[in-house]
Order: sequence, then structure tokens, then C-alpha cells
Amino acid sequence: EAGVAQSPRYKIIEKRQSVAFWCNPISGHATLYWYQQILGQGPKLLIQFQNNGVVDDSQLPKDRFSAERLKGVDSTLKIQPAKLEDSAVYLCASSANYETQYFGPGTRLLVL
Amino acid sequence: GEDVEQSLFLSVREGDSSVINCTYTDSSSTYLYWYKQEPGAGLQLLTYIFSNMDMKQDQRLTVLLNKKDKHLSLRIADTQTGDSAIYFCAENQGGKLIFGQGTELSVKP
Repeated sequence: EAGVAQSPRYKIIEKRQSVAFWCNPISGHATLYWYQQILGQGPKLLIQFQNNGVVDDSQLPKDRFSAERLKGVDSTLKIQPAKLEDSAVYLCASSANYETQYFGPGTRLLVL
Repeated sequence: GEDVEQSLFLSVREGDSSVINCTYTDSSSTYLYWYKQEPGAGLQLLTYIFSNMDMKQDQRLTVLLNKKDKHLSLRIADTQTGDSAIYFCAENQGGKLIFGQGTELSVKP
């Protein structure tokens, strides 16, 4: 069974530019999550989708971050405009049930 | 608060047992997890325990849960150099995972 796929793996941009990340969850997983992992810290949830609806986006900085999951499968996370403090690893996870979340390899973003 | 606490570093010799500790915050958390992260990689789910259990064993891994003290531990028997990584504990709060800051395990030959 294929795992969670993410692209790109690495991205370097300048501050005030925009960037987008893509995630393809495990087939059949209805729930999809985006986490932000700053260097030296544990991941923190940004947004949770159930199918194509948002369950929790309370920690998403909505002035610059947006996410969508239009057909209930793939998802994109966008940052516009990026700030230096957005440098982090962006992890996508998916789940078929309440118990377990499986993570992708992450996208490493560096904002200069 | 939301803080899950872990010690930052642990160093052991190959072949010894490793014990990584964690304290969590929410007594109503239903599941507690241990994830492993190797350099440049995502998080790998190692094991997890339901909150009504005290212990779970899976090959070289043993998870102990003390609900009274909100304490979770991961024991790795016969630790190998390939076990060197960062280990995160996490609690499930209503479907949202709250992670600790990670424990870096260094295994010396």
C-alpha cells in the first residue's frame, strides 16, 4: 500500500513570495492533516479535513495560510506572502479512523 | 496547557535497553503514541496504546502507561545503532495529535 505522498520535498523562497505544497493521502483515508514542524520542536497541527470539509483550522494563520481539499482526496497548502518564521517542515498525515495517523516525508521550506 | 514534556537527549550503548519518558497533559486523551523521526524523514508510527491499558509489548518495544501520573514511557530492548533517531510522544485530543518536543536517542557502538 502506498504511503502519504508530498511534493515538493524541498523549497527555498524569498520572504514575501508565495509557495504551495501538495499532499496525496493514503487511498481511502477520509481525514487529512497538515502539520508544521519548526526545527527542534514537535509537529503542530495547522488544519484538519474530513473528506473535503474543514474540521479544525484554529491554529492556521489565516492572514497568510490557506488550504483546500476540493475533491476529498488531494490537498494543497499555500503560504502567501511567506515570512522568515515560516521556515519549517510541512508534514501531511492521513487517517482512516480515529486511532492512527500516518505521515508523509514532509516538505522542507526555507524562507530567506 | 497543551505541553507534552520529554527529555531532550538520551545516549546509550549498543545492546543496552533505552527508556524514553514523556508526561502528557490531558487525562481524557484516548490514545497515546510513539513516533520515530530519522534525519530528513517524516514521522514513522512505532506503536500506540489505548488509555485503558497499562502496558503494550511489540517485539523490542514496550510501552508503559501510568494514567494517574499522566506518564508514558517507551522501552527499546537490545538497542541498535539503527535506533538512533528522534522519538516523539503524542496524545490524541479529540482527533488532534499534540506532540512533545522529541527525545534524541544516540546509540554508541
